Amino acid sequence: QKEVEQNSGPLSVPEGAIASLNCTYSDRGSQSFFWYRQYSGKSPELIMSIYSNGDKEDGRFTAQLNKASQYVSLLIRDSQPSDSATYLCAATGTASKLTFGTGTRLQVTL
Amino acid sequence: NAGVTQTPKFQVLKTGQSMTLQCAQDMNHNSMYWYRQDPGMGLRLIYYSASEGTTDKGEVPNGYNVSRLNKREFSLRLESAAPSQTSVYFCASSMNQPQHFGDGTRLSIL
Repeated sequence: QKEVEQNSGPLSVPEGAIASLNCTYSDRGSQSFFWYRQYSGKSPELIMSIYSNGDKEDGRFTAQLNKASQYVSLLIRDSQPSDSATYLCAATGTASKLTFGTGTRLQVTL
Repeated sequence: NAGVTQTPKFQVLKTGQSMTLQCAQDMNHNSMYWYRQDPGMGLRLIYYSASEGTTDKGEVPNGYNVSRLNKREFSLRLESAAPSQTSVYFCASSMNQPQHFGDGTRLSIL
């Protein structure tokens, strides 16, 4: 069973701080990795994709990938209360499928 | 563009009743997916369709059937609903990856 592991949280950070969310995956064949944000009662929304080792930045978000360590992370700079949500990590698996982690709940406090 | 549209948004059924959840996408994606999401369990794949004319079982297919009606539409049927099928159901579509999600159907079975 290929797995994606995330700490369920909640991860609590003060407004303006950097939030660091982490994810590990078991399938060494995974090539593509995604971060989704899910607000309570809403559907998952894609916020970052990363395909190669290193960092990828998009606004306040930075995704980091280390395939040797099978590790993916998401950094959120200048965290805002509106960033409070559950963040799902996903990795490509076999036959057009994604494997999702169970998500990390982020709380940004005032 | 509407993206991925799911109907209905809410439904209450009695044990033993049947119903079909509808999903349509207007992004010309080849692949479509059905997930269920339960508290603490993350997203679990029920069935997927890698391309028009094909369907395959996911992680939790028991109690469900699917139909890929055409490239746009992928329906999920509960033949005899059970309380254990109370969940939020998400449809997603993709052209390779990543996947884009509909707004979900909240299904309660009494």
